[in-house]
Amino acid sequence: DAMVIQNPRYQVTQFGKPVTLSCSQTLNHNVMYWYQQKSSQAPKLLFHYYDKDFNNEADTPDNFQSRRPNTSFCFLDIRSPGLGDAAMYLCATSRDPGGWDGYTFGSGTRLTVV
Amino acid sequence: QQQVKQSPQSLIVQKGGIPIINCAYENTAFDYFPWYQQFPGKGPALLIAIRPDVSEKKEGRFTISFNKSAKQFSLHIMDSQPGDSATYFCAAASSYKLIFGSGTRLLVRP
Repeated sequence: DAMVIQNPRYQVTQFGKPVTLSCSQTLNHNVMYWYQQKSSQAPKLLFHYYDKDFNNEADTPDNFQSRRPNTSFCFLDIRSPGLGDAAMYLCATSRDPGGWDGYTFGSGTRLTVV
Repeated sequence: QQQVKQSPQSLIVQKGGIPIINCAYENTAFDYFPWYQQFPGKGPALLIAIRPDVSEKKEGRFTISFNKSAKQFSLHIMDSQPGDSATYFCAAASSYKLIFGSGTRLLVRP
């Protein structure tokens, strides 16, 4: 019944080595979001896709990129991970922007940078 | 103006107690106020939500009180149980964006 699935659950990467996190959804939602959640902090929106339109938050570092090849999948690429990028990365979906009642989070990918 | 301030940072209650978590916001454009529950290693899950045209909403043991004039809202958990031990986030939304509070770590002792 999992509806927003993130892979892998845990990812260890080396400092500076590109890494890709994956999110898939079975809800057929139009919007997919990526959040960064550092330890004991609130989730922070990095960017979102509304269909194929990419919307970056103003304070998201250039080191973070995203791809959405189709409705079901969205990827988060970190080009050169630094120690400060260690966090839980959460994917979420909604039917439309502002479709809050159906806003669904995945279980997250915990990224460790060594 | 985009911030949502949440307190307390942590809370310990005995089983059966009524923990109360408070949030405040500035931006009057916010039009949806959800609460999320997050267990360790899991993503946040929607618990209950309210829109600014009502002052209170109850779902089971969870109640949101909303004060539009004061720009404050709170979560009350009636008859709290050890299984309610989790981190709770308030949030406020407008257009596409959900702004989270800083979270409250709740521990319910048996």
